[in-house]
Amino acid sequence: AQSVSQHNHHVILSEAASLELGCNYSYGGTVNLFWYVQYPGQHLQLLLKYFSGDPLVKGIKGFEAEFIKSKFSFNLRKPSVQWSDTAEYFCAVRGGTSGSARQLTFGSGTQLTVLP
Amino acid sequence: GAVVSQHPSWVICKSGTSVKIECRSLDFQATTMFWYRQFPKQSLMLMATSNEGSKATYEQGVEKDKFLINHASLTLSTLTVTSAHPEDSSFYICSASGPRGGLAGYEQYFGPGTRLTVT
Repeated sequence: AQSVSQHNHHVILSEAASLELGCNYSYGGTVNLFWYVQYPGQHLQLLLKYFSGDPLVKGIKGFEAEFIKSKFSFNLRKPSVQWSDTAEYFCAVRGGTSGSARQLTFGSGTQLTVLP
Repeated sequence: GAVVSQHPSWVICKSGTSVKIECRSLDFQATTMFWYRQFPKQSLMLMATSNEGSKATYEQGVEKDKFLINHASLTLSTLTVTSAHPEDSSFYICSASGPRGGLAGYEQYFGPGTRLTVT
């Protein structure tokens, strides 16, 4: 079974600070990795995803994530956060090959608060 | 593209009654739909996976007789919470995925969620 661990439950930053949110997963095979964002009162939106290829993935709104296979990690980064980045961030993993079910396993989420 | 809607967005019901939540894929055919439950300040917990025309597959610990899922068409799935109790109060979120190779083939697209409060 796959699992996802997000180390930071709540992160508070000032505007323009750099962000890194940790995500580690547990799965023995090929994985697809995702970061989702949930703004207050809104639905989940996909920030970025990794399927294969370049382990450094760039997403929307200036976010990026790096897949480090040896560390089973997929940390989310942003060089300079904005107040509008205040939201809940979820890391998710989908294990298996193309023939497997498309179930996602979510981490517990990290609440990011950016102070103006 | 790849928009998923849910109805209602919020509902309040009395204990013992049943509530139906609809999930629709608006611009793609959703061969697979997923239902999640999210408690305040917590992550999404997968409740069940449904493929169009088939019975839903429930996760361990989810009562299939209490949470009835129907996925009768490629654009609609419903979740019915039967004989709801206050402990069923939660945020229910659906997501949809399309056929591989299509617009929504490799990702899940999430609906806005339904807030259920059982009094």
